[in-house]
Amino acid sequence: AQTVTQSQPEMSVQEAETVTLSCTYDTSESDYYLFWYKQPPSRQMILVIRQEAYKQQNATENRFSVNFQKAAKSFSLKISDSQLGDAAMYFCAYRRAPLGSGTYKYIFGTGTRLKVLA
Amino acid sequence: EAQVTQNPRYLITVTGKKLTVTCSQNMNHEYMSWYRQDPGLGLRQIYYSMNVEVTDKGDVPEGYKVSRKEKRNFPLILESPSPNQTSLYFCASSSQGTQYFGPGTRLTVT
Repeated sequence: AQTVTQSQPEMSVQEAETVTLSCTYDTSESDYYLFWYKQPPSRQMILVIRQEAYKQQNATENRFSVNFQKAAKSFSLKISDSQLGDAAMYFCAYRRAPLGSGTYKYIFGTGTRLKVLA
Repeated sequence: EAQVTQNPRYLITVTGKKLTVTCSQNMNHEYMSWYRQDPGLGLRQIYYSMNVEVTDKGDVPEGYKVSRKEKRNFPLILESPSPNQTSLYFCASSSQGTQYFGPGTRLTVT
């Protein structure tokens, strides 16, 4: 069965600094999607970034980028120039791509709470 | 505006009283899903639907029912709620793998 592990329950970063959140996953599929979602205190789930496993290039969205290492099954999120508004719970998630086998379930990690210090 | 809506946003009920949480999306997405979020456990998928009349179990389906009679709607039914179903519930719809979430429903069962 697929699993997603976020081993850092909580992290802190100084404003304007860079922080990296870790995520590892386990799957026997060769093609899948990986996601990072942000959940601020409002509890709304907001997509931060998405990576397709078949793409070698790491996804980036403004100050957010990922380090996707397929062989190691690692998918970390780097936040550059951290801002107070980045304070939130961050969830890593997995789902297999349409042409694979198995279920279409989404698997989420348990989350990392990020605090941004002024 | 493209969105996923859920109702109610907050609900306090008693053990055994049947309830339905509605979910609707206006993005013509085929895939819809329900999650519950509990402290320390992240989001766990309850049920999902690949299309109208097609539903499948997620990781925690016990005590829940769903139906998908129309593409835009995917209600979650608790026929006999119990206190261990107290949680924050999210509905989501998906296009090409990316999920868009509703605002959440805070359910308390006493």
